[in-house]
Amino acid sequence: EAQVTQNPRYLITVTGKKLTVTCSQNMNHEYMSWYRQDPGLGLRQIYYSMNVEVTDKGDVPEGYKVSRKEKRNFPLILESPSPNQTSLYFCASSPLLVGELFFGEGSRLTVL
Amino acid sequence: GIQVEQSPPDLILQEGANSTLRCNFSDSVNNLQWFHQNPWGQLINLFYIPSGTKQNGRLSATTVATERYSLLYISSSQTTDSGVYFCAVPISNFGNEKLTFGTGTRLTIIP
Repeated sequence: EAQVTQNPRYLITVTGKKLTVTCSQNMNHEYMSWYRQDPGLGLRQIYYSMNVEVTDKGDVPEGYKVSRKEKRNFPLILESPSPNQTSLYFCASSPLLVGELFFGEGSRLTVL
Repeated sequence: GIQVEQSPPDLILQEGANSTLRCNFSDSVNNLQWFHQNPWGQLINLFYIPSGTKQNGRLSATTVATERYSLLYISSSQTTDSGVYFCAVPISNFGNEKLTFGTGTRLTIIP
């Protein structure tokens, strides 16, 4: 089954404790991206990647890192999480830069 | 940049009713997508529809790119149709394209 898989789905952590949200897709898509969704602010892009070892900033990259060492994986790293990073996070993949987009199930992160 | 507006912002309907959701965009686009975010937060890809009409069961979508709008039709609504519906179009930003999402239509289907 074609899918985008994120883990963990739910996480409560404390300020400053490094965490990684993993994302994997099995559709051999070139393009992957991360979004955060906050009430009243909609979906905002954090980072995106157009291929292995090619990543670029989206609209709200501050406080996040990403890497794309393999085509299928695109982890999101929060080196020192802060409460303003409490949000619902989505990973997505697409065969093209603006092709049909497929989302993971979302990861709800709470930073205390 | 391109503006993406959705209407209505909220819609409450009785189960079995039909509904039409609209997405207007301010510039020409070469594709458009519709998504459904269910009450559990999952974002489901409904349609990838650059132009014309597509149908999938009780849902159908029509995009008229020349007039800069797309419509999502839901017939015989069910409670599982509740959630927020987003449209998204690509915009160009310094040579890079990315999707811009509308603010969504919140649909509530009452049993």
